[in-house]
Amino acid sequence: DSGVTQTPKHLITATGQRVTLRCSPRSGDLSVYWYQQSLDQGLQFLIQYYNGEERAKGNILERFSAQQFPDLHSELNLSSLELGDSALYFCASSVGSGANYGYTFGSGTRLTVV
Amino acid sequence: EDQVTQSPEALRLQEGESSSLNCSYTVSGLRGLFWYRQDPGKGPEFLFTLYSAGEEKEKERLKATLTKKESFLHITAPKPEDSATYLCAVQGGRRGGSYIPTFGRGTSLIVHP
Repeated sequence: DSGVTQTPKHLITATGQRVTLRCSPRSGDLSVYWYQQSLDQGLQFLIQYYNGEERAKGNILERFSAQQFPDLHSELNLSSLELGDSALYFCASSVGSGANYGYTFGSGTRLTVV
Repeated sequence: EDQVTQSPEALRLQEGESSSLNCSYTVSGLRGLFWYRQDPGKGPEFLFTLYSAGEEKEKERLKATLTKKESFLHITAPKPEDSATYLCAVQGGRRGGSYIPTFGRGTSLIVHP
């Protein structure tokens, strides 16, 4: 157990629907990062939050949004889902706002859009 | 834009057969090169951070080295439990308020008993 908790582990939904993925960071970590991993794209950075505020943005679609709550857990909202959104979504956390000591990743949510 | 290329894409070894994985990168001002291990169905697990050419880090059968253009992950006398995908990432320019690593697509290693 890495200390980063992601729920649900698996999600199957239809095109056009909206889903919410949840992440609880490791105790003491203030930063949360969201990544998408697919076979053809590898691990792609989506967005980072640090202590409740958005800190960095990557290749996140406008249909996707995220937030970090006062208790530091984070949610990634995916809407108007398309078949191409099927992927593994990982949450990672770190103490500060950098990766020098490495990120701690959760086990991921596998999203299947049918 | 930071770029990372890992080779080979896949590698099969016999137990005890040492080898190396390669990570070539282009980055404007390296602020760290990272190696992660990822097991099937799990999130990546942090292994090493390297900062400057000539630096080396070791952990059990793994040794990471860094030059100005590439990094190698040397695996000495691997065991079946070393089978995993190994990811390399580089941290260079800022994205917004943070330095965010760019990941390569990884090398899938299988070690046969």
